[in-house]
Amino acid sequence: NAGVMQNPRHLVRRRGQEARLRCSPMKGHSHVYWYRQLPEEGLKFMVYLQKENIIDESGMPKERFSAEFPKEGPSILRIQQVVRGDSAAYFCASSPQGIMNTEAFFGQGTRLTVV
Amino acid sequence: GQQLNQSPQSMFIQEGEDVSMNCTSSSIFNTWLWYKQDPGEGPVLLIALYKAGELTSNGRLTAQFGITRKDSFLNISASIPSDVGIYFCAGTVAGGTSYGKLTFGQGTILTVHP
Repeated sequence: NAGVMQNPRHLVRRRGQEARLRCSPMKGHSHVYWYRQLPEEGLKFMVYLQKENIIDESGMPKERFSAEFPKEGPSILRIQQVVRGDSAAYFCASSPQGIMNTEAFFGQGTRLTVV
Repeated sequence: GQQLNQSPQSMFIQEGEDVSMNCTSSSIFNTWLWYKQDPGEGPVLLIALYKAGELTSNGRLTAQFGITRKDSFLNISASIPSDVGIYFCAGTVAGGTSYGKLTFGQGTILTVHP
């Protein structure tokens, strides 16, 4: 059984470029969550999606950030015109139901560095 | 936004010692979860708590959901070197828009000396 797969594991972007982070949920999971972790801090909720729907985006910055979870393919977190402050680890989690419980798992994360 | 106060921030202990860490909040939580994160990895769920007063064990780990629903603790007994890592509490706030939105504590860094 493959776990939650995130790629790339590491991503370096220059200021002003776009970053695209991918998350393939576990088989059978239709709920995906994105979290951001700054160095030496806890994870901060960004967005919760079901297939083709954004359920809760209360943690997403209003500008430059967008997320999607299409009917086919992975969930994508897109950051346009990246700035140094976007440097962080981005984690996605997936679950079979809309609950973060024992059936929900996190991926290994994508570490974004903006230079 | 909601905040979870997790303490202590870091602990240095000898192998074999017991460890205790806790989280408090000014808000009422519906669920409490405890995660462990190793360097370069994602968080791994250790224990999930769903009811006030619930006490749950997972091997050497024991966690409790506070009766006021505003706090939780995690105990690790007889620590071993592989317990090293960062431990996070997390929970879903009562009255929130979805059970998919977790609020995390700041983490407790655990170091175990052999």
